[in-house]
Amino acid sequence: QKEVEQNSGPLSVPEGAIASLNCTYSDRGSQSFFWYRQYSGKSPELIMFIYSNGDKEDGRFTAQLNKASQYVSLLIRDSQPSDSATYLCALEGGNDMRFGAGTRLTVKP
Amino acid sequence: DTGVSQDPRHKITKRGQNVTFRCDPISEHNRLYWYRQTLGQGPEFLTYFQNEAQLEKSRLLSDRFSAERPKGSFSTLEIQRTEQGDSAMYLCASSLAQGRGYTFGSGTRLTVV
Repeated sequence: QKEVEQNSGPLSVPEGAIASLNCTYSDRGSQSFFWYRQYSGKSPELIMFIYSNGDKEDGRFTAQLNKASQYVSLLIRDSQPSDSATYLCALEGGNDMRFGAGTRLTVKP
Repeated sequence: DTGVSQDPRHKITKRGQNVTFRCDPISEHNRLYWYRQTLGQGPEFLTYFQNEAQLEKSRLLSDRFSAERPKGSFSTLEIQRTEQGDSAMYLCASSLAQGRGYTFGSGTRLTVV
C-alpha cells in the first residue's frame, strides 16, 4: 500500500461547479497535511496545509481532515478553467514530505 | 526573496556521463530538500539538509547520487555514470520549519540519451 493514495483522474467539472479531490494515507502518526497544485511542466506550489481534524477554508479552497479515517480532501468552489492542473496531496512525517501521485483536474468552460 | 533557484533548467547528457545540478534556496530557509519526479508521479524524496548537515537520504538513492550543501546555503546534486532511468525532473525545495510546507524551485529536467 502506498503511503499516500489519490485517484489519478482525470476529474472533469464544469466552470462554476465544486471540485472535490480526495486523498487517503496509511501512516496514523502523520501530523501535517498539504495540498499542492502543479500546472503542466511546472513545479508544485503550496495551496493549503491542515493539522487539525475538521475544515480549513482559504478563499475558494477548503481542506478537510479526518484523522480517524485517515482521509484528507480539498474542495474548490466556483471552479475556474485556470484551476485546471494536477493536485498533489502530501503529508509530512519525520524529515521529509511524502506525495501522492496527484489527481488531474480539468475545468471546462 | 527571489524564491528557490535551480540551474540548469534543462540538461541532456549521454549515458555514462556525470551531471551536477545546483539549487539556491530562499535565503532564510535552513531546510533544503531534493526530490525527483517522473511523468504521472508525485515528487519522490531523495535527500534532506538542515543547514550544512545531510540528515536524511532515501534508501532508494543509488550510490551514484551524492548531494552537498557546503556552507549551508546553496546545494549541489551530482549523478555519476548516468543511466536512462535517471531521466526525470529534479526538484529542489526549501522551508523555514517543519509543518510550514515547501517552496519548490522550477526544477532541472534531465534527459539521458
